[in-house]
Amino acid sequence: ETGVTQSPTHLIKTRGQQVTLRCSSQSGHNTVSWYQQALGQGPQFIFQYYREEENGRGNFPPRFSGLQFPNYSSELNVNALELDDSALYLCASSFRTGYYGYTFGSGTRLTVV
Amino acid sequence: AQTVTQSQPEMSVQEAETVTLSCTYDTSESDYYLFWYKQPPSRQMILVIRQEAYKQQNATENRFSVNFQKAAKSFSLKISDSQLGDAAMYFCAYPVGRGSQGNLIFGKGTKLSVKP
Repeated sequence: ETGVTQSPTHLIKTRGQQVTLRCSSQSGHNTVSWYQQALGQGPQFIFQYYREEENGRGNFPPRFSGLQFPNYSSELNVNALELDDSALYLCASSFRTGYYGYTFGSGTRLTVV
Repeated sequence: AQTVTQSQPEMSVQEAETVTLSCTYDTSESDYYLFWYKQPPSRQMILVIRQEAYKQQNATENRFSVNFQKAAKSFSLKISDSQLGDAAMYFCAYPVGRGSQGNLIFGKGTKLSVKP
């Protein structure tokens, strides 16, 4: 059973650029959620994808968008990067409601300069 | 607003001793579940223990146990026989929303240090 894999592990971007982060969900999981974790804080929910559709969204602007593919992998896209977007981005997969817990990846560390 | 509060930014414990991490939460739901996650320097969130709100019995996983007080909305984590590998950030969390819209609300975390 494979876990959640995220790529890349680290990324440096310039303010105003666009970035795409990728996540492969754990085998058997059909739901993917994305979280932003600023330094010294707990993760904040960005959005969730279930069956290739956005299925819940946190308090993030529309420049944060995503996709889920038929194999349940997912992408997080951020347009017009701002300095405050610098954070660890975590992907978590689950089977539907996450009743048995959510499996997290090791995250992508994004630095915006 | 649904919130999770961890009042201890940092805790320290001697190896082999016991430590308790505190967590309080606020929810209007009657049926829910709670999690403790561990985040070591590798950054991956690892599920430590899970508690279902309708169960009165406190969950236990090896050296980890919880003290769940539903009326007080308190969910503390006890680590017995602490080991050096327990050093990490610990986050209390619970999912909000029902069905497939459940997403986790996290506290700000407690940084646990284990002294040899």
